[in-house]
Amino acid sequence: EAQVTQNPRYLITVTGKKLTVTCSQNMNHEYMSWYRQDPGLGLRQIYYSMNVEVTDKGDVPEGYKVSRKEKRNFPLILESPSPNQTSLYFCASSFWESSTDTQYFGPGTRLTVL
Amino acid sequence: ELKVEQNPLFLSMQEGKNYTIYCNYSTTSDRLYWYRQDPGKSLESLFVLLSNGAVKQEGRLMASLDTKARLSTLHITAAVHDLSATYFCAVDRMNTGNQFYFGTGTSLTVIP
Repeated sequence: EAQVTQNPRYLITVTGKKLTVTCSQNMNHEYMSWYRQDPGLGLRQIYYSMNVEVTDKGDVPEGYKVSRKEKRNFPLILESPSPNQTSLYFCASSFWESSTDTQYFGPGTRLTVL
Repeated sequence: ELKVEQNPLFLSMQEGKNYTIYCNYSTTSDRLYWYRQDPGKSLESLFVLLSNGAVKQEGRLMASLDTKARLSTLHITAAVHDLSATYFCAVDRMNTGNQFYFGTGTSLTVIP
């Protein structure tokens, strides 16, 4: 089954404790992206990757890191989480060259930073 | 920076009625997308619109794109309760940065 998976689905942590949210897709997509969703703000792009070893900042990259060492995986790293990073996070992937394709979203990770 | 605005933000409508959600974006974009999100769930793709005048329909939903006006509409025909969800539009700029920009969403409630 074609899918984007994220782990963990729920996470409660404390300020400053490094964490990683994993994202994996099995559709051989070039493009992968991370978003955060906050009430009243819609989805905002954090980082995206056009392919292996190619990453770039989205609109709200501060406080986040990413890496793309394999095509299927795109982990999101919070080196020193703060309460303002409490949010719902989505990973997504797509083909990029296909003009008719759309992004496929993972199930989301709800992060609470105390 | 590209901005995407949706209106209304909240919409309550009776079953059987028609309504339209509007999506305006501030600068030229390459593709426009509509997504649906059910409460507590992820986003599901509805439509991808590529060119001026594009129209796509699926069931009771029809999306259109006017690139000159930088406007897309999502029209709901004869609403049913199952359409209750939050609807997002999004645009990308494939040739100038590969970023995606989402609207704030329209929360639709269809009342029986």
